[in-house]
Amino acid sequence: GQQLNQSPQSMFIQEGEDVSMNCTSSSIFNTWLWYKQDPGEGPVLLIALYKAGELTSNGRLTAQFGITRKDSFLNISASIPSDVGIYFCAGFAYSGAGSYQLTFGKGTKLSVIP
Amino acid sequence: ETGVTQSPTHLIKTRGQQVTLRCSSQSGHNTVSWYQQALGQGPQFIFQYYREEENGRGNFPPRFSGLQFPNYSSELNVNALELDDSALYLCASMYAGATDTQYFGPGTRLTVL
Repeated sequence: GQQLNQSPQSMFIQEGEDVSMNCTSSSIFNTWLWYKQDPGEGPVLLIALYKAGELTSNGRLTAQFGITRKDSFLNISASIPSDVGIYFCAGFAYSGAGSYQLTFGKGTKLSVIP
Repeated sequence: ETGVTQSPTHLIKTRGQQVTLRCSSQSGHNTVSWYQQALGQGPQFIFQYYREEENGRGNFPPRFSGLQFPNYSSELNVNALELDDSALYLCASMYAGATDTQYFGPGTRLTVL
């Protein structure tokens, strides 16, 4: 089945530093999504990427959909304490019969040191 | 807020019991998916419902079943609970045919003893 390799698994950074995390896949996806999850809550959508090569920003967040459609990265600039959480990449693929399946990476746990 | 709600928030069951979890989709969304998230892992796709029919399933046994109602609310049922079923269960809704984006509810934390 499809698998997403997300790295790094965890990061400890100083407040104000930039952060970069990425995801690679053995399969092609139609859409890449980046989510953030706080403890005890559901994932919250940060950025959605729909076209190969697309570069999209959302405030301090920037993400790109790889040209091969098998990878994506997420950058966070000038990190702040509220950026703490677990970041997930997810690939969306149409699997036939009207079914859309979302496959997640294992997450990157971000800790920000004030 | 995503407009997706789930109930209950937490639930404790014993092995062998059955459980029903509920989800209310975001208004206008006709597709709902359910995910299981074990501790320290990413969510795993269980199944998807579109117009009250299951139209996609992940690697989960038949004792995981679901329903979607005309008002786009849905249920996840798990029979013969096992200890490994302890997890956060998430539902996510979308409007099929629009942008490929799913919006998640806050989840139900199920503990099986």
